[in-house]
Amino acid sequence: RKEVEQDPGPFNVPEGATVAFNCTYSNSASQSFFWYRQDCRKEPKLLMSVYSSGNEDGRFTAQLNRASQYISLLIRDSKLSDSATYLCVDMNRDDKIIFGKGTRLHILP
Amino acid sequence: DADVTQTPRNRITKTGKRIMLECSQTKGHDRMYWYRQDPGLGLRLIYYSFDVKDINKGEISDGYSVSRQAQAKFSLSLESAIPNQTALYFCATSDSTGRWAFFGQGTRLTVV
Repeated sequence: RKEVEQDPGPFNVPEGATVAFNCTYSNSASQSFFWYRQDCRKEPKLLMSVYSSGNEDGRFTAQLNRASQYISLLIRDSKLSDSATYLCVDMNRDDKIIFGKGTRLHILP
Repeated sequence: DADVTQTPRNRITKTGKRIMLECSQTKGHDRMYWYRQDPGLGLRLIYYSFDVKDINKGEISDGYSVSRQAQAKFSLSLESAIPNQTALYFCATSDSTGRWAFFGQGTRLTVV
């Protein structure tokens, strides 16, 4: 089983809609998770950390479900500028930063 | 100036040639990483280093070597490049908590 798995998409959603992605992880000892955003042909950039209690940053909400070993990202009121690839990241027990393959999101006007 | 700088940004090289990709950072981070990105395969870890005397293999280290010349510099070498090493390569750094990873702008390498 891959350490971090994501639905590759693409997710095509109309502007203003709410969209959610999940990411599953295999290492039950992993402590830290993040969401990164990557625009086409650009480097990944940190979007937000994922805290056990869930956290929100504007239109973005991240949640962690340790029992089922997945994290989620919810984007509300999606904008055209949200179109990108979203990468799930597991900072695992060995302190290696492991990326999922990413989920492509296309926001449609 | 970028916090993490990769050189070159683009490179075309021939099969069998030796090539070095360089990464330097001004963030003062101890941890540095090299990844390659291929369509459909995401980012895969090649090598990582937690300080100048520490080098660790990632999931796809075969055919690559690295050198951590200083805290701020981490270079990746392809001793004898082959076409399936054509990819987008990223260098990244993080602090000792490993909570934040900052990436360079990437090196697009083509092996012909």
